[in-house]
Amino acid sequence: DSGVTQTPKHLITATGQRVTLRCSPRSGDLSVYWYQQSLDQGLQFLIQYYNGEERAKGNILERFSAQQFPDLHSELNLSSLELGDSALYFCASRGDVSYTFGSGTRLTVV
Amino acid sequence: QQQVKQSPQSLIVQKGGIPIINCAYENTAFDYFPWYQQFPGKGPALLIAIRPDVSEKKEGRFTISFNKSAKQFSLHIMDSQPGDSATYFCAAIGWERGSTLGRLYFGRGTQLTVWP
Repeated sequence: DSGVTQTPKHLITATGQRVTLRCSPRSGDLSVYWYQQSLDQGLQFLIQYYNGEERAKGNILERFSAQQFPDLHSELNLSSLELGDSALYFCASRGDVSYTFGSGTRLTVV
Repeated sequence: QQQVKQSPQSLIVQKGGIPIINCAYENTAFDYFPWYQQFPGKGPALLIAIRPDVSEKKEGRFTISFNKSAKQFSLHIMDSQPGDSATYFCAAIGWERGSTLGRLYFGRGTQLTVWP
């Protein structure tokens, strides 16, 4: 157990739908990073939060949004889902230097 | 634009062999270089990391070699075992101008298979 908790582990949904992925960082970590992993694109950085504030954006689509709550957990919202959004979604939290990843949410869009 | 370039994409070795994975970067602002190991269905896990002022770091059977002038670094796995079969990612942490938070840039990954 890495200390970073992601739910749900698996999600199957239809095209056009909206889903919410949840992440709780390691105790004491203030930052949360979201990554998308697909077979052909590797690990792509989506967005970063620190203590409730958005701090950096990567290759995040406009259909996707995220937020970090006062208790530091974060949610990634994916809407108008397309088949190409099927991927593993990871969150990570950062302590001093190193990043710790959760076990991911596997999203399948059918 | 891939900030960290990794090769090879896949690697197959016999048990006991020494697989070598290579990475290169351009951004001289990177100042921390971790390697992650990922098993199927799991998240990437930190394996070993190095700072650019060090040329080599060993942890158990895993060694990072770092060449700052060439902006290249590599992972060597000594006496590889079937249990080492996984995807390995090199990465670099850099700080964007005006930011106090680092950002992790990944290579594309190397799928390693160690045959018994």
